[in-house]
Amino acid sequence: DGGITQSPKYLFRKEGQNVTLSCEQNLNHDAMYWYRQDPGQGLRLIYYSQIVNDFQKGDIAEGYSVSREKKESFPLTVTSAQKNPTAFYLCASSNRASNQPQHFGDGTRLSIL
Amino acid sequence: QQPVQSPQAVILREGEDAVINCSSSKALYSVHWYRQKHGEAPIFLMILLKGGEQKGHDKISASFNEKKQQSSLYLTASQLSYSGTYFCGTESMDSNYQLIWGAGTKLIIKP
Repeated sequence: DGGITQSPKYLFRKEGQNVTLSCEQNLNHDAMYWYRQDPGQGLRLIYYSQIVNDFQKGDIAEGYSVSREKKESFPLTVTSAQKNPTAFYLCASSNRASNQPQHFGDGTRLSIL
Repeated sequence: QQPVQSPQAVILREGEDAVINCSSSKALYSVHWYRQKHGEAPIFLMILLKGGEQKGHDKISASFNEKKQQSSLYLTASQLSYSGTYFCGTESMDSNYQLIWGAGTKLIIKP
């Protein structure tokens, strides 16, 4: 059964610590995305990647980093430079073309200890 | 530029109808609609392409007015399961396959 798997579901970060959120997909999609969602807000794009070994900054990339070494995987690191990391993080993937729906993982909720 | 969704929230009784609008200041190539339940992933509903098409399944349908750069989502005879936040995502000629998301419309259905 194809889909997107995000882990962990809940994550706690200590001050000064970097944490990594995992996102794996088996849909054979070229494009992958990371979004941040704050309570009562829409989706804001952090980073996206349209092909392996290539990625671009979204609207709110500061304090985050990503890698795309494999087609299936697009991990997001929340660095200590991100001073307000508490949010719901969603990973999505799609075919790399127009008019393609994005498929989402179940999200990771990150909180500060 | 973020599309504008209206209304921000709506409360309905089961069986009533609702319309949610999504307007953009840019020339759009397509409009995507999603529904998200609290704490869950957004679920894809449908895509509307330029050309003014109207799509739908079950009692949820949508239209796209290319001239006005506006899409509307219609929920008829609403069911409790329709509750959630509805987001539109817009794709324009220069968006490089990216979706620009509206802030969402919260729909509450009461029995």
